[in-house]
Amino acid sequence: GENVEQHPSTLSVQEGDSAVIKCTYSDSASNYFPWYKQELGKGPQLIIDIRSNVGEKKDQRIAVTLNKTAKHFSLHITETQPEDSAVYFCAATGGSQGNLIFGKGTKLSVKP
Amino acid sequence: KAGVTQTPRYLIKTRGQQVTLSCSPISGHRSVSWYQQTPGQGLQFLFEYFSETQRNKGNFPGRFSGRQFSNSRSEMNVSTLELGDSALYLCASSFFGNMRMNTEAFFGQGTRLTVV
Repeated sequence: GENVEQHPSTLSVQEGDSAVIKCTYSDSASNYFPWYKQELGKGPQLIIDIRSNVGEKKDQRIAVTLNKTAKHFSLHITETQPEDSAVYFCAATGGSQGNLIFGKGTKLSVKP
Repeated sequence: KAGVTQTPRYLIKTRGQQVTLSCSPISGHRSVSWYQQTPGQGLQFLFEYFSETQRNKGNFPGRFSGRQFSNSRSEMNVSTLELGDSALYLCASSFFGNMRMNTEAFFGQGTRLTVV
């Protein structure tokens, strides 16, 4: 079935450094790739997404890139801040109904 | 605009009991999807409802069921609870539900279910 792999599972960076999280997907029909941030005790929050007809999208310190040929997409956070510390999930559309298939998550820790 | 509301936030149940969780989607959204989140398995898709019909179902036993009302509010039910059902249950609201149609999904805060 459809599968989304996410790496790394944990990531620790110094404040001000960049962080990169990578995901690969298996369904060649996937056409929508959102990223969610989940803070402790809260539900996942949509932070950025990208459609299959776009190669890159930026929103302030956050960017996402997509390589459809290689079936991978990445989240880039620049100038990280302690409040960026959270678990980040990537997802891709899968199945006939286009439901989201999630990666296992990356726990990002930003050290002050 | 109000977000996705899930009630209750926390539940403690005993093995063998049943439980009902509620999700009110964002106003105007017709699709509600349910996910189970556990530390080991991540976010796993349970089922999706659109216009009161179950459109898609994940790989969970029949003890897990749901329904959707005409106002798009959804409930999920778990019968004969097992210890392994302890998890955070999340619902996500979207306009169409089918992400291939280019609509975002927004999550609620979740219901933390503990089975003892």
